[in-house]
Amino acid sequence: GAVVSQHPSRVICKSGTSVKIECRSLDFQATTMFWYRQFPKKSLMLMATSNEGSKATYEQGVEKDKFLINHASLTLSTLTVTSAHPEDSSFYICSADRAGGTDTQYFGPGTRLTVL
Amino acid sequence: TQLLEQSPQFLSIQEGENLTVYCNSSSVFSSLQWYRQEPGEGPVLLVTVVTGGEVKKLKRLTFQFGDARKDSSLHITAAQPGDTGLYLCAGASGQAGTALIFGKGTTLSVSS
Repeated sequence: GAVVSQHPSRVICKSGTSVKIECRSLDFQATTMFWYRQFPKKSLMLMATSNEGSKATYEQGVEKDKFLINHASLTLSTLTVTSAHPEDSSFYICSADRAGGTDTQYFGPGTRLTVL
Repeated sequence: TQLLEQSPQFLSIQEGENLTVYCNSSSVFSSLQWYRQEPGEGPVLLVTVVTGGEVKKLKRLTFQFGDARKDSSLHITAAQPGDTGLYLCAGASGQAGTALIFGKGTTLSVSS
């Protein structure tokens, strides 16, 4: 149990376009989902915390108008990178906190975004 | 602000050697998790330690949580090329809906 999926796994887009990344908890309900960004051989950098039915909480330095997060249900959160630029190219990972569960978070497989 | 200092950042060893990765903090965590991540994939949970002084073993991997729940270590015995990857420690505050605090990661390379 405790499987988290992300879609798409890879996406290449042109500069100026928007890209939506989905994060789903497949076999459990997630009260909270987290979005991370990761650079090569570096640790995860928290971008925002997403709670079902409420506005996401963004970390300092993360533009909320650029990285739109929607947590519409207990099993789905989406991250939309708006007006993407080459510097937005990165590995984006989500994790989910099982509702009523322990501290353990379950990570998705990540999405590789390349902006040309 | 809680911080987790993870060391070493990079480790390159020969097959058969032993190694230890450390995570230290001045803060107390309700639990600490260790993840392993391969390039292009998400982190995979190896273990969660909850009790101060706890030791957990996973085949050749031994995880220890400090008595004060401020630090943890991962020891690998007789490393193999398949152990190569990025190892991440992450501390939990115990508050529901709060993000994990991640260490900077240890990139391990085991050559045969």
